[in-house]
Amino acid sequence: GAGVSQTPSNKVTEKGKYVELRCDPISGHTALYWYRQSLGQGPEFLIYFQGTGAADDSGLPNDRFFAVRPEGSVSTLKIQRTERGDSAVYLCASSLGGRTSTDTQYFGPGTRLTVL
Amino acid sequence: GQSLEQPSEVTAVEGAIVQINCTYQTSGFYGLSWYQQHDGGAPTFLSYNGLDGLEETGRFSSFLSRSDSYGYLLLQELQMKDSASYFCAVSGGDYKLSFGAGTTVTVRA
Repeated sequence: GAGVSQTPSNKVTEKGKYVELRCDPISGHTALYWYRQSLGQGPEFLIYFQGTGAADDSGLPNDRFFAVRPEGSVSTLKIQRTERGDSAVYLCASSLGGRTSTDTQYFGPGTRLTVL
Repeated sequence: GQSLEQPSEVTAVEGAIVQINCTYQTSGFYGLSWYQQHDGGAPTFLSYNGLDGLEETGRFSSFLSRSDSYGYLLLQELQMKDSASYFCAVSGGDYKLSFGAGTTVTVRA
């Protein structure tokens, strides 16, 4: 069966540019999460969607980061005016309902973003 | 906030048993999860403990003591393919997972 997919797998951009990272969750999963993983660290939470709405965006580092999920399935993470410090692997995860803390989150392979 | 501590590296030989400890300090706690991540790969769910005690899934077992804010992942009959990073993660009641920095397990022949 299809798991969580993310595109592109790698993205190299220049400082100051705009990037979009896409996530396709597991079919039927209503909850979707974005995390960021720096080298040698665990994933850090960015934002959580329940359906189409962002239920918790407390992890977004600043207003250059924005994410949408217009139809309650695919999500796009958007980063404006990229900085070298944004370089990391951006992971997406989905879960069946997201309404309990015991909902298992299934991760995609991530997008490795490099800002030159 | 959440704070999790786990060892940075563990090395063992094939067939051995490895225990990865995880201690946590959290403002809210629902359960402890474990994920495996191979280099360049997706974190893969291994186990979840919401109540005290041992959960067994094949060669892997996970333990939780809520009173001690402590858990561990036990890897038995180690195989070369078990070489990976292992992360403990706390569910704090607000849906997001808070991860430790990970333990790199290296299995030697």
